[in-house]
Amino acid sequence: DGGITQSPKYLFRKEGQNVTLSCEQNLNHDAMYWYRQDPGQGLRLIYYSQIVNDFQKGDIAEGYSVSREKKESFPLTVTSAQKNPTAFYLCASSIRTGGNGYTFGSGTRLTVV
Amino acid sequence: AQSVTQLDSQVPVFEEAPVELRCNYSSSVSVYLFWYVQYPNQGLQLLLKYLSGSTLVKGINGFEAEFNKSQTSFHLRKPSVHISDTAEYFCAVILYGGATNKLIFGTGTLLAVQP
Repeated sequence: DGGITQSPKYLFRKEGQNVTLSCEQNLNHDAMYWYRQDPGQGLRLIYYSQIVNDFQKGDIAEGYSVSREKKESFPLTVTSAQKNPTAFYLCASSIRTGGNGYTFGSGTRLTVV
Repeated sequence: AQSVTQLDSQVPVFEEAPVELRCNYSSSVSVYLFWYVQYPNQGLQLLLKYLSGSTLVKGINGFEAEFNKSQTSFHLRKPSVHISDTAEYFCAVILYGGATNKLIFGTGTLLAVQP
């Protein structure tokens, strides 16, 4: 079955370390997205990519970086510059027009101590 | 600019009672509309969507929503809820025919079903 796989489900890191969250999809979707979710704040867009080798900043890109070297993969790096990285991170993908909505992964909960 | 407003942050309801979760949007052009459900520590699952055609849309788990263009609303309803419906529900829009396909989310409504 096609879908989106995020790994790991839980991730613990020490403050000051960079960490990379994995997102892989086999839906043949052109577009991929990263969201951050905090309690009571809904979903906030970090980065998105509509095509391989191209990506754009979302609303809260500071302290994050991404790459899109393959259509299937859109990893997110949380850098030490992100001041409050502890959160639930969701990856999603869609067809380019977005008319069918997004398909979401199951999320990665990052805890920085 | 587009925006989505979910008027209620929490909706408590007793099991087997009907429920309505409200969603209003603002946009000067046509939009696609979606409702997603999120169970604790999970991703979002598509409940239903309105793209065009009939304004009453039926989704999974017995939910339905009605698109009202004049009131710019897309309220979600279920005639009889179950304990298992306890979750957070997000309304979202995409600009029809826009240059990008960014999904704009509301802030979510927590549906708390009590026995």
